[in-house]
Amino acid sequence: DGGITQSPKYLFRKEGQNVTLSCEQNLNHDAMYWYRQDPGQGLRLIYYSQIVNDFQKGDIAEGYSVSREKKESFPLTVTSAQKNPTAFYLCASSARTSLRADTQYFGPGTRLTVL
Amino acid sequence: ILNVEQSPQSLHVQEGDSTNFTCSFPSSNFYALHWYRWETAKSPEALFVMTLNGDEKKKGRISATLNTKEGYSYLYIKGSQPEDSATYLCAHAGAGNNRKLIWGLGTSLAVNP
Repeated sequence: DGGITQSPKYLFRKEGQNVTLSCEQNLNHDAMYWYRQDPGQGLRLIYYSQIVNDFQKGDIAEGYSVSREKKESFPLTVTSAQKNPTAFYLCASSARTSLRADTQYFGPGTRLTVL
Repeated sequence: ILNVEQSPQSLHVQEGDSTNFTCSFPSSNFYALHWYRWETAKSPEALFVMTLNGDEKKKGRISATLNTKEGYSYLYIKGSQPEDSATYLCAHAGAGNNRKLIWGLGTSLAVNP
């Protein structure tokens, strides 16, 4: 089945530790995205990538890093510099690179809790 | 309106009822409006992408309209079923250099059998 997978589903981290969230897609999509969801807020864009080896900061990139070494993979690292990392993280992809008008396909999400 | 606002925040209807909710967005420099459905414990799923004023889209019992001049979109569900229970999100994209989507908080729909 084609789709987007994220792992793990739940992740617990101690304060001060970096943690990497996995996102893989087999849809052959060019663009990939990372969003964060917090209570009372809409989805907020962390990073996006339109092509391999290139990525752009979204609205809330501070404390996060990404890589795009392969078309199908876009891992997100939550660093110790991220002040409020506890949140629900969604990965998405789209076939073309028109961020504004292209349908996005989402993974099931990872819930990160910092203890 | 500077942000994307959705109303109502939540809605409870009986099976068979028709319902509708609203997405309001900035009316200037419009580029696109997206609707997604997000069922509990599942991934958000795209319903519609709308780009033209007056656009109407339909998918089964769900339809949407778009008014870019006044900055709103309506989502209609005809004859609601329990499987329609979900949060319905809209996202707006402006025509400026900022190419990202701005997401609303969603309308949570519960359909009682």
